[in-house]
Amino acid sequence: GQNIDQPTEMTATEGAIVQINCTYQTSGFNGLFWYQQHAGEAPTFLSYNVLDGLEEKGRFSSFLSRSKGYSYLLLKELQMKDSASYLCAVRDNTGGFKTIFGAGTRLFVKA
Amino acid sequence: GAGVSQSPRYKVAKRGQDVALRCDPISGHVSLFWYQQALGQGPEFLTYFQNEAQLDKSGLPSDRFFAERPEGSVSTLKIQRTQQEDSAVYLCASSLTTGTMNTEAFFGQGTRLTVV
Repeated sequence: GQNIDQPTEMTATEGAIVQINCTYQTSGFNGLFWYQQHAGEAPTFLSYNVLDGLEEKGRFSSFLSRSKGYSYLLLKELQMKDSASYLCAVRDNTGGFKTIFGAGTRLFVKA
Repeated sequence: GAGVSQSPRYKVAKRGQDVALRCDPISGHVSLFWYQQALGQGPEFLTYFQNEAQLDKSGLPSDRFFAERPEGSVSTLKIQRTQQEDSAVYLCASSLTTGTMNTEAFFGQGTRLTVV
């Protein structure tokens, strides 16, 4: 089975840096995704990691350690529009390639 | 179309009524997923298709839920004898391929089902 844990809520200040952690347990790890979801909207893709290390994409970076079952999403130079839920998702290749989502971390960016 | 399209966007059903939710994936996308998302929660996996084959339906909560993708493109999620606990947003997502590539999933806007 799969289990994904991430904090329920976080608050940060505009212009600051925030790190959202995710731990997971899965029987057939095949990649980890981060998605952003604004209230009432569909999730949108942010990043993908399948090998250990840091992937950087503009203000967003994502890190993966497969041995620790751990990932984080780093958001720099926070903007008010970054207030959203951030979903950690793990693709499992047991019997296919389904992607399992965590409950999401609601990020509030304050001025 | 340019993205994943779901219809209807909103559906109100009376308890016991059958509903059908439609998903038009991005053209050429092999994989199609259905998720159920309750308010304040992450998407919960329901079922997964690779072309027309339903490879995993382990997330369907009961035998009242049925999904099909007969020609490997459009998919329908059917819920029979709806119950109040079925109220949620139903998200459809598609991705180009499977495997170890970065095959991000593109989500539709979802169908918000309210059972009264």
